[in-house]
Amino acid sequence: DAGITQSPRHKVTETGTPVTLRCHQTENHRYMYWYRQDPGHGLRLIHYSYGVKDTDKGEVSDGYSVSRSKTEDFLLTLESATSSQTSVYFCAISKTSGSSYEQYFGPGTRLTVT
Amino acid sequence: GQQLNQSPQSMFIQEGEDVSMNCTSSSIFNTWLWYKQDPGEGPVLLIALYKAGELTSNGRLTAQFGITRKDSFLNISASIPSDVGIYFCAGRLEYGNKLVFGAGTILRVKS
Repeated sequence: DAGITQSPRHKVTETGTPVTLRCHQTENHRYMYWYRQDPGHGLRLIHYSYGVKDTDKGEVSDGYSVSRSKTEDFLLTLESATSSQTSVYFCAISKTSGSSYEQYFGPGTRLTVT
Repeated sequence: GQQLNQSPQSMFIQEGEDVSMNCTSSSIFNTWLWYKQDPGEGPVLLIALYKAGELTSNGRLTAQFGITRKDSFLNISASIPSDVGIYFCAGRLEYGNKLVFGAGTILRVKS
């Protein structure tokens, strides 16, 4: 158990509304990641963080923003949700130390945009 | 972006059979990871590989880091019903902390 929780676990929202997903970790790891999972695409990186207030874009960052004001929390915001953002969103943490780059995933948030 | 080609896309096998899947790329990777995902849950790390040629086992699972550093293989011996799920490979490029994921192999087991 990597001590990662995500909230909410399920959400239905309307097109054009803002949505914020939360990832919380209990183990004080430096690196945190947001992915989306869609059939046939595996997991695609949206944004990641390498420390408080330090974030960078992944391969599918358009339409998303992130914030990390505390080590334990990493927020993903859809500024104006669109139907193409219907997906399952996973948060991950990395226990990066030395040569270890393993990532551990949370339980996911299923988001439906109608 | 970088791509990992994972095959096969799906497998439907008899309980007790061995399973093989692989990931290939045109890029060189420094780390290969294999994950399993059950329905409605997040991926769970099975095996991590860090050196070219490395062969690592975890119970009935064995994974190898290809010599060219552009591929990796996962074998499951004597499959059982609880092996059902989606298996993902992931690679870390030579620099940075980001992973690239394959599209997954769906494994179904007939008991």
